[in-house]
Amino acid sequence: DTGVSQDPRHKITKRGQNVTFRCDPISEHNRLYWYRQTLGQGPEFLTYFQNEAQLEKSRLLSDRFSAERPKGSFSTLEIQRTEQGDSAMYLCASSLTGTGNYGYTFGSGTRLTVV
Amino acid sequence: RKEVEQDPGPFNVPEGATVAFNCTYSNSASQSFFWYRQDCRKEPKLLMSVYSSGNEDGRFTAQLNRASQYISLLIRDSKLSDSATYLCVVNRGGSQGNLIFGKGTKLSVKP
Repeated sequence: DTGVSQDPRHKITKRGQNVTFRCDPISEHNRLYWYRQTLGQGPEFLTYFQNEAQLEKSRLLSDRFSAERPKGSFSTLEIQRTEQGDSAMYLCASSLTGTGNYGYTFGSGTRLTVV
Repeated sequence: RKEVEQDPGPFNVPEGATVAFNCTYSNSASQSFFWYRQDCRKEPKLLMSVYSSGNEDGRFTAQLNRASQYISLLIRDSKLSDSATYLCVVNRGGSQGNLIFGKGTKLSVKP
């Protein structure tokens, strides 16, 4: 296992289109997180899963956003009817429950550009 | 008040300099503290955890003051390769709270 994988690395889409990103966490990690980062800002929390259960969603996650982790392994983040304000780096991270002192491991991110 | 606030930066320092970054957090229930490093257009990577007694990893020293809700990172003998953005990170509260990131402080080490 080489770490957290995200696909695609880059996505350019027209405003109004739907996009879907995939994240494969470290295999033994039961927690998976989605963050969004815009230029000059730190990563902002969007949502997280423990196994297949989505336990928390940020108010940043509007109804156009949906995330799934159907079998407790990989996760997808879908954005419907994209807007220019959705342009950002979308970061996925994973960790083990109870390892609060060990931080998260991030993937390389998916850079979304909405034109 | 933002949950995690950092020095605005940028910090431009010569090689060999000592540089210190400061950070404050608002949630007194936070229990886990970290410094992450982020290179340009890359993902954040864990630099070090921050423990109550303070901890050191080579040229890097982290300190935590729970009473003041203040975290610091000291880098001694700066190298060109230390140039990056340093993110102060705090968990939201309790042992399982999500990580909240500061905006980051950009460090540029010049020859």
